[in-house]
Amino acid sequence: KQEVTQIPAALSVPEGENLVLNCSFTDSAIYNLQWFRQDPGKGLTSLLLIQSSQREQTSGRLNASLDKSSGRSTLYIAASQPGDSATYLCAVYPDKLIFGTGTRLQVFP
Amino acid sequence: DTGVSQDPRHKITKRGQNVTFRCDPISEHNRLYWYRQTLGQGPEFLTYFQNEAQLEKSRLLSDRFSAERPKGSFSTLEIQRTEQGDSAMYLCASSRPSLADYEQYFGPGTRLTVT
Repeated sequence: KQEVTQIPAALSVPEGENLVLNCSFTDSAIYNLQWFRQDPGKGLTSLLLIQSSQREQTSGRLNASLDKSSGRSTLYIAASQPGDSATYLCAVYPDKLIFGTGTRLQVFP
Repeated sequence: DTGVSQDPRHKITKRGQNVTFRCDPISEHNRLYWYRQTLGQGPEFLTYFQNEAQLEKSRLLSDRFSAERPKGSFSTLEIQRTEQGDSAMYLCASSRPSLADYEQYFGPGTRLTVT
């Protein structure tokens, strides 16, 4: 059974820091991995999707990598800003999404 | 492309009542998914449809829950005899799987509070 774990569960940093959020999964037979952002009480916003044949994806200050053989993905946030404060979720696809429990990020000025 | 929409956005109901939620997927998306998210947890899969066929149901989907997608377009999720443990955010997503793209697009969710 696929299980997804995210570390750390919570993170509080000053503005400007570069951050690494970690995601691990137990079964490497995945199609894709996707990172989402969720603001309190809101739905999910897709950040990056990495297809199984890819090793990384970049969007602006965000970079996500995928290592299927080790069952790990990292989300790198450069030059963090207070507006980045949210919960970040990773999820893996066979056909339905299996989510981790998220990393709650707070960036203070 | 107006995105995935869900209605209502918020629902407060008393224990024992029935509730129904609606999800409208992105047009031409043939797959539709329902997830449930409780406070502090990641979303958990409930069920999904390909066109009008319900292909998989999680064991989280007790017999009080039923989902339909009658014409392969919008979907409804009904909860009968609600319990306080049903309080959660119910999320809907849609996709059009292809070799190049399995991405799911999420709606804003329906927050259910059972009192």
